[in-house]
Amino acid sequence: DIQMTQSPSSLSASVGDRVTITCRASQSVSTYLNWYQQKPGKAPKLLIYAASSLQSGVPSRVSGSGSGTDFTLTISSLQPEDFATYYCQQSYSIPMTFGQGTKVEVK
Amino acid sequence: EVQLVESGGGLVQSGGSLRLSCAASGFIFSDYWMHWVRQAPGKGLVWVSHIHDDGISTSYADSVKGRFTISRDNAKNTLYLQMNSLRAEDTAVYYCAREVRLNGYNPTNHFDHWGQGSLVTVSS
Repeated sequence: DIQMTQSPSSLSASVGDRVTITCRASQSVSTYLNWYQQKPGKAPKLLIYAASSLQSGVPSRVSGSGSGTDFTLTISSLQPEDFATYYCQQSYSIPMTFGQGTKVEVK
Repeated sequence: EVQLVESGGGLVQSGGSLRLSCAASGFIFSDYWMHWVRQAPGKGLVWVSHIHDDGISTSYADSVKGRFTISRDNAKNTLYLQMNSLRAEDTAVYYCAREVRLNGYNPTNHFDHWGQGSLVTVSS
């Protein structure tokens, strides 16, 4: 199975901050890497697919980059609605493993 | 509007069985591969199982292999997860999710729609 490791596990930030979350795969997943946002008590929401493609309806302050084993999710200017937990997922092979999550909290 | 609505969760004793359903609407259900993903209380997302559009090919996480069975009824637009020999560690919210698969220059597969989740609690 491909292991996905996110860092950090949590971070504290303020509105307007630039936030970066990294995700590393234990082997190459090409660009089969997706990012999801989850708020408490809610289902995950797709933000980024194929490493860098923005899902329809997701604000342009959210972006993704990377290929192979190293990936990044960036929020250029954090907004109040962005405080949540973020997960990366590799869809290169079954099982489609997720990272452990990164919780973005209010500083 | 695409909708996925899970049902069938609840409290069950260890060793018992439960069947989850996921009713799909707003899209051609038979065109899509479908998945189950679970989340234990306070924990992260864990992929459980998937099924191809024709219902023939399936895969399972090692932790549920031999105990869980995924199936679908394309005529009823419904996905199922039969869970047998349940254990305390199966306690989780179970989500169904639709997989989008795109070929071409930048191929991808990802989960673009998720259900609201169904809570399964296994008491020991």
